[in-house]
Amino acid sequence: SAVISQKPSRDICQRGTSLTIQCQVDSQVTMMFWYRQQPGQSLTLIATANQGSEATYESGFVIDKFPISRPNLTFSTLTVSNMSPEDSSIYLCSVASSTRDYGYTFGSGTRLTVV
Amino acid sequence: KQEVTQIPAALSVPEGENLVLNCSFTDSAIYNLQWFRQDPGKGLTSLLLIQSSQREQTSGRLNASLDKSSGRSTLYIAASQPGDSATYLCAVRRATGFQKLVFGTGTRLLVSP
Repeated sequence: SAVISQKPSRDICQRGTSLTIQCQVDSQVTMMFWYRQQPGQSLTLIATANQGSEATYESGFVIDKFPISRPNLTFSTLTVSNMSPEDSSIYLCSVASSTRDYGYTFGSGTRLTVV
Repeated sequence: KQEVTQIPAALSVPEGENLVLNCSFTDSAIYNLQWFRQDPGKGLTSLLLIQSSQREQTSGRLNASLDKSSGRSTLYIAASQPGDSATYLCAVRRATGFQKLVFGTGTRLLVSP
């Protein structure tokens, strides 16, 4: 399965600022996803990062708040903009296997605290 | 809309016990089901992946079963160890269309020495 490197692993940020999270995969993948996990909750899909086109956002998430880049098939970034304490969560990137089993692999996560 | 539920929400057992975690889903039209482990504040580690045509998968002390028609999966952990302490999540991928995973609510497991 793919190996994902996600940076930073954690950060403490001031409200009103922005943080960009990077996700690097060791192989080319078609589908990359960004998830949010709020404290004590399960994972919620934010968006699908598409190479060469705009990301596809889930209901409740907008591009102005969570802009995503996908410049090639091994890399993506998620920016959390104009942060508030409610954005404090774990953010995870994920890729779907290119083999027929379609299993998913996740990065190690970015633990964000907004103060 | 697919909904995934896990029971129990939390479980505390002494070391050495065999245990079962449950996952149920409302829409049986799934492509596969995946069990993950998450340590506090960390990412997800894939444990087992079961395709919709399979009944079970095994890896070491872990065994996962799938009954698609009844919308249920179980994760069996044999001879539990303190290192098994973590949150266990199940997730389903639907059979058609967008490759979106729907996650369960998780079971938080504590294995005491």
